[in-house]
Amino acid sequence: GDSVTQMEGPVTLSEEAFLTINCTYTATGYPSLFWYVQYPGEGLQLLLKATKADDKGSNKGFEATYRKETTSFHLEKGSVQVSDSAVYFCALSVRGGSEKLVFGKGTKLTVNP
Amino acid sequence: SAVISQKPSRDICQRGTSLTIQCQVDSQVTMMFWYRQQPGQSLTLIATANQGSEATYESGFVIDKFPISRPNLTFSTLTVSNMSPEDSSIYLCSVEIGAPLEQYFGPGTRLTVT
Repeated sequence: GDSVTQMEGPVTLSEEAFLTINCTYTATGYPSLFWYVQYPGEGLQLLLKATKADDKGSNKGFEATYRKETTSFHLEKGSVQVSDSAVYFCALSVRGGSEKLVFGKGTKLTVNP
Repeated sequence: SAVISQKPSRDICQRGTSLTIQCQVDSQVTMMFWYRQQPGQSLTLIATANQGSEATYESGFVIDKFPISRPNLTFSTLTVSNMSPEDSSIYLCSVEIGAPLEQYFGPGTRLTVT
């Protein structure tokens, strides 16, 4: 079945450090890929998405590129801020299936000043 | 995007009782989804609710335990029945709206069962 494997956390970085959170997937068909973010005490927010191979999603300085050859969608940010502290979820959706989202386990990021 | 509200935001319930969670969207949507997020865990889809039809449940979830209503295109309820401490979770509703394949989530209902 469809699944998402996400880098285990927690991840602790200093402000202005480079961030990478790895995400790989297994899917039948051609999935769309997403990163969601959950800030402390808040609901889930869509951070960025990519719907086909080689697409790059970007938002708020975060980027992720849909790599079909490596079945990956790694999240990156060049310079993290304290306000980026949150839990990040990688997810996929296969159109033509149930349209449901399949989530990774989440990676908790803490950024220290 | 969409503005999604949930009620209650949190509750503490005794085992054996039931709780109904409401989800309201500010626009009409075809598909609504209910997820569970157990403490420290990822999100798991409970069921998909389309207006005018029975909800479709994922493996491991049954209608008797999690009955769902979808009376119109902006509203849905999820009931957690005969609760046990294992039901303590955050329950989230989501909708698919706007650009295809984008889901937006409500703020969640934090349920604690004692």
